[in-house]
Order: sequence, then structure tokens, then C-alpha cells
Amino acid sequence: DTGVSQDPRHKITKRGQNVTFRCDPISEHNRLYWYRQTLGQGPEFLTYFQNEAQLEKSRLLSDRFSAERPKGSFSTLEIQRTEQGDSAMYLCASSLRAGGLNTEAFFGQGTRLTVV
Amino acid sequence: GQQLNQSPQSMFIQEGEDVSMNCTSSSIFNTWLWYKQDPGEGPVLLIALYKAGELTSNGRLTAQFGITRKDSFLNISASIPSDVGIYFCAGPRAGNNRKLIWGLGTSLAVNP
Repeated sequence: DTGVSQDPRHKITKRGQNVTFRCDPISEHNRLYWYRQTLGQGPEFLTYFQNEAQLEKSRLLSDRFSAERPKGSFSTLEIQRTEQGDSAMYLCASSLRAGGLNTEAFFGQGTRLTVV
Repeated sequence: GQQLNQSPQSMFIQEGEDVSMNCTSSSIFNTWLWYKQDPGEGPVLLIALYKAGELTSNGRLTAQFGITRKDSFLNISASIPSDVGIYFCAGPRAGNNRKLIWGLGTSLAVNP
């Protein structure tokens, strides 16, 4: 396991279509995060899981967005009825929290979404 | 809310020059992180700082955690073309160490 893996790397979709992205975290990491990044900005937090539990969701995550981490390993982020404003880089990160220690977040390469 | 201000916004330097960039906040951070992001890629962690006054190096990179805990700087010595990219500072929001707050980045261009 060499790092956080995201699939696909690029996705072009028509407005109104649904899209789903996958993230495979570093295998021993129990925390998984989704961020969104637009051009010229830093990443913005969307949501976070500890194991399979989704513990926090940003107000940026509208009801068209849903994230899951069913077995506490990989995660999916689905966007329904995509809009042009959803075009962005979607980044996944993972970290380990155990025994009071918390490693820093390591990021995947991202999924670049373009809604046309 | 908490904000991180990075400066400069962009830099264009000659290969071999040293580079300095900084990050400031209106509120205290307990951890400062420096990431580098190449175009079309995710951010890569360069240096993590956990204690006020801490000075940490990673190869040609050196970062310091400011004494006031409201700032941090990153230095790159003897820049090379592969240093090109966007450098972000980030830190966990006070009272919520699961969520990172990010600066807008410093874009570095290196002329060979």
C-alpha cells in the first residue's frame, strides 16, 4: 500500500447526471476525509469518517452529495444531479488516530470533475 | 471564522535562489502543516510542526512554528526546477482537530 488511491482521476459528465468517486485510504488508517478544491483556492473540508461512522459534514455538502464508508475501509462520494458549480477537484485523505496519537492527513491524487 | 493568510501569493525566482514564504492567522494554532501541490495532483505533506518555536528541516526545506502560535514560515534553500508548485499552509481548527483550515497557497515558479 503506497498511499491514498482515488478513482477515477478525471470525470467529465453532463449536467444533471449522477457521478460516484471512490477512495481507498492507507490501509491502517481509520480516519478518512473528503475535501473539495477549486482553482486558486485551498481545499475545503466536506466530510469525515472515523471507521465506518460519518462524524462530521460541512454545510458545503448539500443534499445532492452523499458519502459512505460501509466497511470502514474504502469510501465513495456520490453527487446527484450534478451542476456546473460542482466542477472541482475532489480530494480524499486519510489519517490514523490511535491511543491518543493522530497522524497527519495524507492525500490522494484527487478526482477532477468537470460538469458540462 | 479562522483564516490563514499566506504570502506572497506568487513568486518567480531563479534556480539556486533561496525562497521564503509565510503563513499567519488571527487565532492560535496548535499544529502547522506545510503541503506542496503539483498541478492536477493532491497535496503532499512536507513538514508538520507541533510546538511553538519548533524549527524542523526536511532536506532543503526548513519550517518554523512561530512563538505566538499565530504564524509559521517555510524556507526552501537552493531552489531547483522541481520545486515548482503551490505551497499551502494548513492547520487543524481549534477545538476540531479533524478539520484542516487552509491558506490560499503560494505559487512558486523557478526559472532554470
